[in-house]
Order: sequence, then structure tokens, then C-alpha cells
Amino acid sequence: EIVLTQSPATLSVSPGERATLSCRASQSVSSNLAWYQQKPGQAPRLVIYGASTRASGIPARLSGSGSGTEFTLTITSLQSEDVAVYFCQQYNDWLGLTFGGGTKVEIK
Amino acid sequence: QITLKESGPTLVKPTQTLTLTCTFSGFSLSTSGVGVGWIRQPPGKALEWLALIYWDADKRYSPSLTSRLSITKDNSKNQVVLTMTNMDPVDTATYYCAHRGPWLPRGTFNVWGQGTVVTVSS
Repeated sequence: EIVLTQSPATLSVSPGERATLSCRASQSVSSNLAWYQQKPGQAPRLVIYGASTRASGIPARLSGSGSGTEFTLTITSLQSEDVAVYFCQQYNDWLGLTFGGGTKVEIK
Repeated sequence: QITLKESGPTLVKPTQTLTLTCTFSGFSLSTSGVGVGWIRQPPGKALEWLALIYWDADKRYSPSLTSRLSITKDNSKNQVVLTMTNMDPVDTATYYCAHRGPWLPRGTFNVWGQGTVVTVSS
């Protein structure tokens, strides 16, 4: 099973500032990585797939990068509506899809 | 507009079998490339993928739970059913079903249901 480790667990960022979230895979997943956003009390929402492709309706301030074992989700100018928990997910081994533990983004 | 809704018991006893139904609209599970998956989330914890079924009836299960899971589809009813045997209190979670669009990589989910809470307790 491919293990995804996200850091930090909680990220406090001032409005308008940059937020950088990390996801590390225990083995290479190529670019087969997605990010999901889960706001309090809501179901997850697909944000990024293919490591860097934004899903439909996702604002340009959210971007993904990386390949292999190191991935980053960047929010360039944090807005209040970005407050959420963000999960990464690998689908390289789709015999065993796995999610990371999540990073909670909050407003400082 | 694609929507999915989970239904099933809110409380099950240990050792019982859980049956959850995902009823969807806005797409057909007989359309090439479409898939529906189940994912769960224990309270305050991370997401865990459980199972996935595709338009061609290809089925995939979490390796750690494969002996306990079964996923089926009924195209005429627009439903996907997940059964999980031998329930345990650690299976207490919110259970989500989710849609995979044919334009997306296999194993990604673009629309999720609201989730249904299942508690396992005697």
C-alpha cells in the first residue's frame, strides 16, 4: 500500500498570504495524484488531478505541482472560502487507492 | 446536474452486515468510462477508499477490506449497493458514494454525495 504523508497538520495563514501544503508518497506515484477540499460539514470536492490540472470550477489561485513522491498544493492568496481540510490521494496504484491524513487550513 | 445520495441504516450491531445504497441522477452507469466509488471517513479522521465499480462491471476493492466488501450496480434503478460484512465499532464512519467522470483518471471522484453516518454499537 502506498502511504501518503501530509504536512503540516494545521496551517494558519493570514488573508491574502500564500499557503503551501505538502504531500509525500512512500513510493513514486508519477503524476497520479489528486487533491480534495473538504469544508466543515461538507463532502469533499475535487480540486486538482494529474498533480497539476485544476478541476472544473476551481479558482486559479489554487495550483498543484510535483511528481514522483513530492507534491505541493499552493493557494497563492488565501481567501476565507479556502478554509478547509485538504486531502491528497494517489491513484497510481488503483488496486489500492489511498488518501493522506489531511492538512487543515485556517485563517490567522 | 449530477447528484448522488447515500441511504442505509444509521445504527448496526457488531457482527452484522451493513448494506448501503447510492442512488444517483444526472448520469448513467452504463455509459463508457463512468464509475461510482465508496469512501468512508471515521469521525475526525482521514478518508479511506472502500470500493469502486465501473460501467463495464469492473470492480475494485480496498485490499485490506476485500474479504468483507461487495459492490454491485443496477443500471435500471440508477443505484450502486455496497455491502460490508462483520461490522465492528471501528467501522463507525460517514460513508460517501462518489462519481468518476469518464474524462477523469481512473480512481478520482469529481462529485460526491452528502454522506451517511453509520454507527456500530451494541
